[in-house]
Parts: sequence; C-alpha cells; structure tokens
Amino acid sequence: DAGVIQSPRHEVTEMGQEVTLRCKPISGHNSLFWYRQTMMRGLELLIYFNNNVPIDDSGMPEDRFSAKMPNASFSTLKIQPSEPRDSAVYFCASSHTGLGYTFGSGTRLTVV
Amino acid sequence: GIQVEQSPPDLILQEGANSTLRCNFSDSVNNLQWFHQNPWGQLINLFYIPSGTKQNGRLSATTVATERYSLLYISSSQTTDSGVYFCAGGTANTGNQFYFGTGTSLTVIP
Repeated sequence: DAGVIQSPRHEVTEMGQEVTLRCKPISGHNSLFWYRQTMMRGLELLIYFNNNVPIDDSGMPEDRFSAKMPNASFSTLKIQPSEPRDSAVYFCASSHTGLGYTFGSGTRLTVV
Repeated sequence: GIQVEQSPPDLILQEGANSTLRCNFSDSVNNLQWFHQNPWGQLINLFYIPSGTKQNGRLSATTVATERYSLLYISSSQTTDSGVYFCAGGTANTGNQFYFGTGTSLTVIP
C-alpha cells in the first residue's frame, strides 16, 4: 500500500496563476478530505467527498477554490486565480467507514 | 460539529521523562484518532482508538468515550518525539468526518 499520494510536493507560483493540486487516495477508501494548514489558522477542512460525491464544501474559502473527484482513485483541488494569502500546506487524507484517516505528505504552496 | 480541546497546548520535556496529553470532546465520539506531526510536517497516524486502550512501544492511548476524553501517554521521551500531537474525533452524525483539536506542541530536550 503506497498510502495517500499527493503531487506536487512543492509548488511556487505567481499571483494570478492557476494552481492544481492532486491526490490519489488509498484504494478501497470511500472518503477523501482536503485540508489546509497555516500557522495562523491551524488545520482547516476545505471539502470532503464520500463515494466521490462532495458532502461538505463549507470550508472552501471562496469561489477561487474548486475541487473534483472524477473517480475513486483521483481528486484535484484547483485555485484560480491564486493569491499570496493562499500560501499554505495543503493535505489530502482518505479513510474508510470505521477506520481512521491516512494523510498524504502534503503540498507546500507558495504564491508570490 | 463537535468541539475538541487539547491540553496542554505546549510541553517541554527532558529526554527520558514521561508525559500525558489530554483530549476532551464536546460530544460522545465513536471515532477517535491521535496523530503526530513531525518537524518535517508529516502527519503520522499513531492510534485509531474510539474506545479502550492501545499500546505501541513507548506510546499508549486510552479513550473513555462515555466521559468524552482520550489520553495519550508518552514514556521515556526521546528527541524524535518532538512535534505537534493532534487528536481528532467524529460522532455517528458526522459520518467519516473528524474534527481536530488545535494540538499539543511537544519539545523534548536532550
């Protein structure tokens, strides 16, 4: 089991550019979560999917953020246009009913 | 959602000392997990422990779901134990979604 795989590990982009973060959950897990972590706000849940369906996106900061899960093995989080205040570490996690979370290694995003 | 309170917020230990971290929940949970975020930022699962007691080496955890709390014990601490410890829990109403505490920042001094 390769665990939850996120890419890229690091992303540096200019303000106004589109950023796409990717996540491959653990095979067989039925829930997928996107979190953002900053020093000021800690861990924030952005959105989560159950069986590929978005269940709660109330944590998505604004319309510049969007997430998709086209199938059980892939999800993306897109920021368009990016702003410096979006700089953070973005984590993806997956789980299965009755099991705990497994986190990916995160994507460190820097918007300059 | 549910509120998750962790204590203490910060802890400094001499290497070899023992410690207890606590997590309180505002509601009864049926899912509970402890994580360690190491200095490199990785979030590592320590225990999935909705009830009872588990042990893994120098670490052990106990959850008393009816009392809405969980404890993480670290014995004979080592410098590699440094980092932030998070607990997270969910209820039957929150599905697979867990709610996280703000963490306990642990520094182990050689």
